[in-house]
Amino acid sequence: GPKVLQIPSHQIIDMGQMVTLNCDPVSNHLYFYWYKQILGQQMEFLVNFYNGKVMEKSKLFKDQFSVERPDGSYFTLKIQPTALEDSAVYFCASSPDRAEVFFGKGTRLTVV
Amino acid sequence: GDSVTQTEGLVTVTEGLPVKLNCTYQTTYLTIAFFWYVQYLNEAPQVLLKSSTDNKRTEHQGFHATLHKSSSSFHLQKSSAQLSDSALYYCALRLSNVGDNSKLIWGLGTSLVVNP
Repeated sequence: GPKVLQIPSHQIIDMGQMVTLNCDPVSNHLYFYWYKQILGQQMEFLVNFYNGKVMEKSKLFKDQFSVERPDGSYFTLKIQPTALEDSAVYFCASSPDRAEVFFGKGTRLTVV
Repeated sequence: GDSVTQTEGLVTVTEGLPVKLNCTYQTTYLTIAFFWYVQYLNEAPQVLLKSSTDNKRTEHQGFHATLHKSSSSFHLQKSSAQLSDSALYYCALRLSNVGDNSKLIWGLGTSLVVNP
């Protein structure tokens, strides 16, 4: 089936530094999402993105977070500056029409 | 608020026996869709089943589920568990907003272990 790629699978970053998580969505998809899963907790919606704009974001999407998809390439989540509580697995997802959402394997972010 | 509850964190079953994973939800939205996602080790979550029709059974890969709005449930069942079914199973609710957005509300997930 369609693949959403997230590279790398694991990133370790010093607290206070900036990190960019990259996602290569399915090529013809129009809707893009980020979800966050802290170890032992449920996956939680962060943000969705359509037509170059953030459509909806949750309370977890702090001011330090930003998303973009420059030139229709990677869909990125940037955290600047990072905090210890940002340590989690971040899942990227994309959808052609919101009917079905396809997920990547996730990037485990460890802030030390 | 809107929520999805999966009561079991771990379900262990012997190969060949039936299995049931529970999922209930709470929402005030009328237009909803339900999903069961399965996540195998080191893989991405992928859709196993989906439904938006009340009281209609949906099936895929030997699993089945029926959305019951009267009891706010969407339990996942299989009559004969296979070793390859061992994975993490998530129940998820999609809310369809007027503003052309959608997001998934997730349960905590149930880890299914099928033993020989």
